[in-house]
Amino acid sequence: AQSVTQLDSHVSVSEGTPVLLRCNYSSSYSPSLFWYVQHPNKGLQLLLKYTSAATLVKGINGFEAEFKKSETSFHLTKPSAHMSDAAEYFCVVSYNDMRFGAGTRLTVKP
Amino acid sequence: SQTIHQWPATLVQPVGSPLSLECTVEGTSNPNLYWYRQAAGRGLQLLFYSVGIGQISSEVPQNLSASRPQDRQFILSSKKLLLSDSGFYLCAWRLTGGNEQFFGPGTRLTVL
Repeated sequence: AQSVTQLDSHVSVSEGTPVLLRCNYSSSYSPSLFWYVQHPNKGLQLLLKYTSAATLVKGINGFEAEFKKSETSFHLTKPSAHMSDAAEYFCVVSYNDMRFGAGTRLTVKP
Repeated sequence: SQTIHQWPATLVQPVGSPLSLECTVEGTSNPNLYWYRQAAGRGLQLLFYSVGIGQISSEVPQNLSASRPQDRQFILSSKKLLLSDSGFYLCAWRLTGGNEQFFGPGTRLTVL
């Protein structure tokens, strides 16, 4: 069985400050892990993915995530938030099927 | 390259009316296809998935149904809509044996 927990339902940062969106997973096997972003009334866009290669994964728009097996975590970070980063972010674990986290809404204040 | 289309983009329907949402994928063959729903303030709920023509698996019992009449076409239907069917419906595809899913632009359904 596999599952994913996003530890914060809402994160608020100021523009230009770092972003940290936390995700913990549970899987009996070596999973693939993803972060997706969803802007209002839009579909989900893949930000980045981990598939058992390098543990530090770089994605689009300056985001990156680090796979830490010992902590069963896959946190998403960005050094400096931009107003356009405001959106809903989903952490996903995949083995035979995909399990989505509940989502974290990121607000960026000017 | 592959693209996925959904229509309509928005829909307002009265309670008890029928529903048909369509999803089509271009540029790939024999994809796995998925229907998700996002209700207000909630995450994604997997409704149906299909691994081939005519093969539909339902994740949650409800008054919705799905069909796959062609390899790259996935339809979500209802005979009588309920208020609780309101939400944002997303179609997605994945290559057989692949890892990530690719999502369509979604359909906003409001049932009044």
